[in-house]
This record gives sequence, C-alpha cells and structure tokens, in this order.
Amino acid sequence: GENVEQHPSTLSVQEGDSAVIKCTYSDSASNYFPWYKQELGKRPQLIIDIRSNVGEKKDQRIAVTLNKTAKHFSLHITETQPEDSAVYFCAASIGNQFYFGTGTSLTVIP
Amino acid sequence: DTAVSQTPKYLVTQMGNDKSIKCEQNLGHDTMYWYKQDSKKFLKIMFSYNNKELIINETVPNRFSPKSPDKAHLNLHINSLELGDSAVYFCASSQAVGRYGYTFGSGTRLTVV
Repeated sequence: GENVEQHPSTLSVQEGDSAVIKCTYSDSASNYFPWYKQELGKRPQLIIDIRSNVGEKKDQRIAVTLNKTAKHFSLHITETQPEDSAVYFCAASIGNQFYFGTGTSLTVIP
Repeated sequence: DTAVSQTPKYLVTQMGNDKSIKCEQNLGHDTMYWYKQDSKKFLKIMFSYNNKELIINETVPNRFSPKSPDKAHLNLHINSLELGDSAVYFCASSQAVGRYGYTFGSGTRLTVV
C-alpha cells in the first residue's frame, strides 16, 4: 500500500512568517492529494487539494505544490496568523482510499 | 444544516459494554468511512462503504461491526469494549471513492473506563 511521510511533526513560526509542511509518498499511482486542518477538539477540514495533472494550486494565503517525479508535495502558508494554529494532515489517494500523513502541529506565535 | 452528523459526541462507558455510534450525511455522497484518531492524532481508516457495500475493511478487531442501512447512514457497533478502544472516532463521506476530499463529522470521543 501507499506510505505517506509528513515533516515536520511540530512547527512554530512567528506571526506574519511563512510555514511549509512537506509530505512524500511512495506509490507513483497516487493521483489526488488533499490537505486537512484540524483545530483543537474539532473535525479535520479540507483546506486545499491538488490533482496529479497540476503542479501548483493557490487559494489566498495557502498554496500546495506537487512534484510527481520526486513524489513529494508541500503546503505553504504565507503571512501566518494565530488562527492558523492547528494540526495539518496531508493525504495521498490511490485506489479506494486515502493514506494520511502523521500530522504537523503548527503554532503561530503572536 | 450539518453535512455529516455523528451521535453521540461523547461516550463514557465501562469495559466489556457494547455501544453504537451513528452517522448520517445529507450531502448525497456515495461513500462513507469510519476513522479512528488516537491520542497521537494519527488518523487510521477502519471501514469504507460505497453505496451501502463494504469496500474497505482494515485490520480491525471483529468486535467492531459497521452497518450501512442506506447510503446516507453508516453506523458503528462495538462489542466488549476495551481500554484501548478509547479514541476519537470520525465518520466521513465523499462524493466518490478516492477522488474527492472528505467531509468529516464532528467526532465521537469514546472513553472506556
């Protein structure tokens, strides 16, 4: 099956700085890569996704990049704000299911 | 209107008891899932149903039994609860298998004492 590795496991940034979270996957057949944000005590929520035929996608302060050759994809958050503090999960889809990364706990320091 | 709703939100029960968690989605999605999130936040797939049919059944003790009476509902029944079953259980749905993101329910925090 697919193996998704996510780094770092924890990340602290100053408010206004950028944050980058990276994931690698093992199966080249993976073709859909969503990112989820989970605030403390709440459900994971889809924040952005990218399909394998696209290299980059942006939505306001959030962007995702995909390098299919190297089998890695990254989440970029610019101008971070305290409300960006949460656990972020990447996932890779192959066949019937998603394989989730182990999560990155992001803390934005005011 | 809650898209994916789970009940109960909290469940505290003694070892050995049997309990059920219910999930309903009003999004018209074909696929529903159960995930377990442990204390380290790792999201582990347990089951997936597509149009009421089981398509994923990960290595889960057979004390866990899912049931999907129709494609809008996926319930989870757990027999003989153990301490290690304590976790947050999330129901989720998606438009199609593996090609669209999930909408998660609010989770059920199960504590076995």
